[in-house]
Amino acid sequence: DAGVIQSPRHEVTEMGQEVTLRCKPISGHNSLFWYRQTMMRGLELLIYFNNNVPIDDSGMPEDRFSAKMPNASFSTLKIQPSEPRDSAVYFCASTMTIDNEQFFGPGTRLTVL
Amino acid sequence: KQEVTQIPAALSVPEGENLVLNCSFTDSAIYNLQWFRQDPGKGLTSLLLIQSSQREQTSGRLNASLDKSSGRSTLYIAASQPGDSATYLCAVHLSNSNSGYALNFGKGTSLLVTP
Repeated sequence: DAGVIQSPRHEVTEMGQEVTLRCKPISGHNSLFWYRQTMMRGLELLIYFNNNVPIDDSGMPEDRFSAKMPNASFSTLKIQPSEPRDSAVYFCASTMTIDNEQFFGPGTRLTVL
Repeated sequence: KQEVTQIPAALSVPEGENLVLNCSFTDSAIYNLQWFRQDPGKGLTSLLLIQSSQREQTSGRLNASLDKSSGRSTLYIAASQPGDSATYLCAVHLSNSNSGYALNFGKGTSLLVTP
């Protein structure tokens, strides 16, 4: 298996622009998670899906953030409009069942100028 | 909210030494605990998963222990090698259903193993 796939690996954009991050979970995994990692706050859970349904989005910082999972093999995290404080590494992770071992993608490093 | 603390924040040891990384958590009602490794600029690699009913897990030179009652876990690395240099993260999964799913991470221990 190729593992969790994320794209793009790096994104540099200007404040106010829309940013879309993409994730393909491991085939057969039923739960998908979006995390954000910064030096100050460490790793934070933003939102997670179980069987394509968003379960808990309480970690999403603002209404500017939204996430979708239209099918079992694809999810997006969108920021609109982006701000410099959104600069971070965004990770996607998946797991076979919600309480099992999580497998992480390589992350997307987002820089908002 | 579950607080997860990792001590030390950074550690430097000569090659060949055995070492222990510590993780503590404030809420003992956990479902499981997972140790990860993160190399610079990379994602997280799962090392070991310990269920709440277990006391330890072993994989190669790694051994992780769990003491729920005291809110502690340790990651023991035997015969350290320069390739072990990375940041090690501890993550706790709460079992409180009122919290929904919550995987809380510590801020990690940055390990440097010198040749």
